[in-house]
Amino acid sequence: ETGVTQSPTHLIKTRGQQVTLRCSSQSGHNTVSWYQQALGQGPQFIFQYYREEENGRGNFPPRFSGLQFPNYSSELNVNALELDDSALYLCASRPTPGLAGEDEQFFGPGTRLTVL
Amino acid sequence: SQQGEEDPQALSIQEGENATMNCSYKTSINNLQWYRQNSGRGLVHLILIRSNEREKHSGRLRVTLDTSKKSSSLLITASRAADTASYFCATDDLRGKLIFGQGTELSVKP
Repeated sequence: ETGVTQSPTHLIKTRGQQVTLRCSSQSGHNTVSWYQQALGQGPQFIFQYYREEENGRGNFPPRFSGLQFPNYSSELNVNALELDDSALYLCASRPTPGLAGEDEQFFGPGTRLTVL
Repeated sequence: SQQGEEDPQALSIQEGENATMNCSYKTSINNLQWYRQNSGRGLVHLILIRSNEREKHSGRLRVTLDTSKKSSSLLITASRAADTASYFCATDDLRGKLIFGQGTELSVKP
């Protein structure tokens, strides 16, 4: 167990709908990243939040957006869902810079999103 | 886009044998990490090797890194059925972004 939790575990939506996925970081971690993992592929970086601000983004359109809250929990929002958005969505948190092990990222169990 | 490639894509061995997986990458890195994933669930961090290190051990795991060839290998010794999983390498440029390979699917038969 990494201490990173995600909800919900599974989600089914239809094309055009909007979805919000949630992540609770491990205690003491103020940086969270989100990844999309399509079936049979490695995870792909969506974006990263540090102290409530986005500070890195991968090659994903603006309809993928996020929030990080003062308690360092995070949300991933996807608007206008498309069939290709079906994937496992993973969040990962990392320790506060300056602490031992700061390079290691701790992943949650993921949310499986199916778009019909 | 993926950073690089993992080889082989799939590996099937008997319990007790060693398993070797290779990873290649394209850009400069600060460190390289290996993760395990069971049945499409969350990623479990196995080991991290920094760009100035050449070899690292953790239990039955041995990782090597050759920055001149932009490649890494993961060796699992005396494999067990419980090692059956997908294994991913990921490079970290210290801006927080991990770039993953496509993974090696390891099957260890009892």
